[in-house]
Amino acid sequence: GAVVSQHPSRVICKSGTSVKIECRSLDFQATTMFWYRQFPKQSLMLMATSNEGSKATYEQGVEKDKFLINHASLTLSTLTVTSAHPEDSSFYICSASGGGASKNIQYFGAGTRLSVL
Amino acid sequence: GENVEQHPSTLSVQEGDSAVIKCTYSDSASNYFPWYKQELGKRPQLIIDIRSNVGEKKDQRIAVTLNKTAKHFSLHITETQPEDSAVYFCAALSGGSYIPTFGRGTSLIVHP
Repeated sequence: GAVVSQHPSRVICKSGTSVKIECRSLDFQATTMFWYRQFPKQSLMLMATSNEGSKATYEQGVEKDKFLINHASLTLSTLTVTSAHPEDSSFYICSASGGGASKNIQYFGAGTRLSVL
Repeated sequence: GENVEQHPSTLSVQEGDSAVIKCTYSDSASNYFPWYKQELGKRPQLIIDIRSNVGEKKDQRIAVTLNKTAKHFSLHITETQPEDSAVYFCAALSGGSYIPTFGRGTSLIVHP
């Protein structure tokens, strides 16, 4: 099946620093990439959807200046948490869909656990 | 927009028993219903899906049923094993959208 690589798997940073998370589709071209946030024992909360070469579409309540998303190519999307604070600590997961007949199927990255001190 | 309700939130069974997780959706235009399994600290993985033109789909010990009239779909796991322990998420997508709406998840615990 399709493989999505997400790095880093874990980040511990000081409050006020920015953190970049990468999401790569390794063996397919990802028409669309998704970024989710997941709190302990809760569901996946969609933060934003991005298509290659265009601006990301953010869900209501998600600060686009706080969570910068770049989808520069069909295989790479990045999420940058700017000026991170302890309340940004969470599990962030990306996913990608390949478009066409498989556009409905999402392949998830392994997630990034962010801890802001 | 779409709203997906998932029940129960926690399900505890003995090894060998069957487990059933139910989801309802609100948008009659939804036509694709995937189920994901997420083990602790790991990525969600697609385990089975169903499209609205079929009522049931099976894959070994896992099956999914869909009732379009009632707008609900269910995941059935037979002969459960401890390695089935995980959080299971249902989702619904409409034909014109590629953005899934997820249920809140069900934590399945299979006791040996």
